[in-house]
Amino acid sequence: ETGVTQSPTHLIKTRGQQVTLRCSSQSGHNTVSWYQQALGQGPQFIFQYYREEENGRGNFPPRFSGLQFPNYSSELNVNALELDDSALYLCASSQDRGGEKLFFGSGTQLSVL
Amino acid sequence: QKEVEQDPGPLSVPEGAIVSLNCTYSNSAFQYFMWYRQYSRKGPELLMYTYSSGNKEDGRFTAQVDKSSKYISLFIRDSQPSDSATYLCAMSPYSSASKIIFGSGTRLSIRP
Repeated sequence: ETGVTQSPTHLIKTRGQQVTLRCSSQSGHNTVSWYQQALGQGPQFIFQYYREEENGRGNFPPRFSGLQFPNYSSELNVNALELDDSALYLCASSQDRGGEKLFFGSGTQLSVL
Repeated sequence: QKEVEQDPGPLSVPEGAIVSLNCTYSNSAFQYFMWYRQYSRKGPELLMYTYSSGNKEDGRFTAQVDKSSKYISLFIRDSQPSDSATYLCAMSPYSSASKIIFGSGTRLSIRP
């Protein structure tokens, strides 16, 4: 059974640029959720994808968008990067939109300069 | 006021001690309660999951939920240096990842 993997591990961008983060779900899971974790804070829900469709969105602007592919891997895209976007981005996979047993990846640390 | 409050610590205890970690919350609709452990530069790892009130035990870990007081706890017995991490409480009104609210985490350090 493979775990959740995320790439890249670290990323440095400048304000105004665009970034794509990738996530490979745990084997057998059809739901992926993305979270933003600022330093010293808990993860904040960005959005969730279930069977390739968006299934819930947190309080994040439209410049945060995502995709889920038929193999249940996923991407998080952020356009027009702002300094406040600097954070650890986590993806978590689960089965059938369930939230009580999330399996997190190690995250992508994004720095916006 | 945040929906979920958690003391950020840091909390430092000697090896072998009993550790008590706590969260309070304001939303009486929360039914699902979770504790995650997060090591430095890693993603959170689910430790305990409880539905509604009561206690749940798993090895050295015990989770307690008191819905009347809107208060949850995680106890770690016989603490080990490998338990040093940030502990996040999380809760949700129903079983959906989209509705989970995380606490800000408590940093725990176990001294050998």
